[in-house]
Amino acid sequence: DAGVTQSPTHLIKTRGQQVTLRCSPISGHKSVSWYQQVLGQGPQFIFQYYEKEERGRGNFPDRFSARQFPNYSSELNVNALLLGDSALYLCASSLRGSNQPQHFGDGTRLSIL
Amino acid sequence: GNSVTQMEGPVTLSEEAFLTINCTYTATGYPSLFWYVQYPGEGLQLLLKATKADDKGSNKGFEATYRKETTSFHLEKGSVQVSDSAVYFCALLQGGSEKLVFGKGTKLTVNP
Repeated sequence: DAGVTQSPTHLIKTRGQQVTLRCSPISGHKSVSWYQQVLGQGPQFIFQYYEKEERGRGNFPDRFSARQFPNYSSELNVNALLLGDSALYLCASSLRGSNQPQHFGDGTRLSIL
Repeated sequence: GNSVTQMEGPVTLSEEAFLTINCTYTATGYPSLFWYVQYPGEGLQLLLKATKADDKGSNKGFEATYRKETTSFHLEKGSVQVSDSAVYFCALLQGGSEKLVFGKGTKLTVNP
């Protein structure tokens, strides 16, 4: 079975632009979460979606938004990009429920110039 | 709030050496605990997990025991290989939540 797939793998943008990152979960997984990993740090939670509804939000500004589609895939949008948004953006999927492990994709490397 | 503290890296070992990476946590209630591994240029892979006190998670020769009395989940391996070189992350998942809280990661380099 395919794992979590993310696209694109790399992206270069300039300050002020907008970006959309995409994620397809493992087949059968209905929960999708997004994390930001700045170089040299652990991932930080951004959003969690289940059944197309936002179920959790981390401490990120309103420039960050996301949505989940009927097929459980998800998009992360970031507006008005700042240099500090440069990071690896990771998507994870899981079966719904407490204590379920999250399975991560390889991420999208976003560089802001 | 919930937090995870890992030993500072980097850690450099010779092949077949014993590995310990310390991890302690702060959380209310009874979180689930995880170790993830990240190889260069890749995402995170689940290495092992434990969901309640005294559980031992194990995989690929790695082990970690959930110690509630010391709020710890130290990662150990008896004999490391060059292929174990990666960054290791300790993480917790609070009961009823799907938000993983990660430590800062520990980079391991194993030399032949």
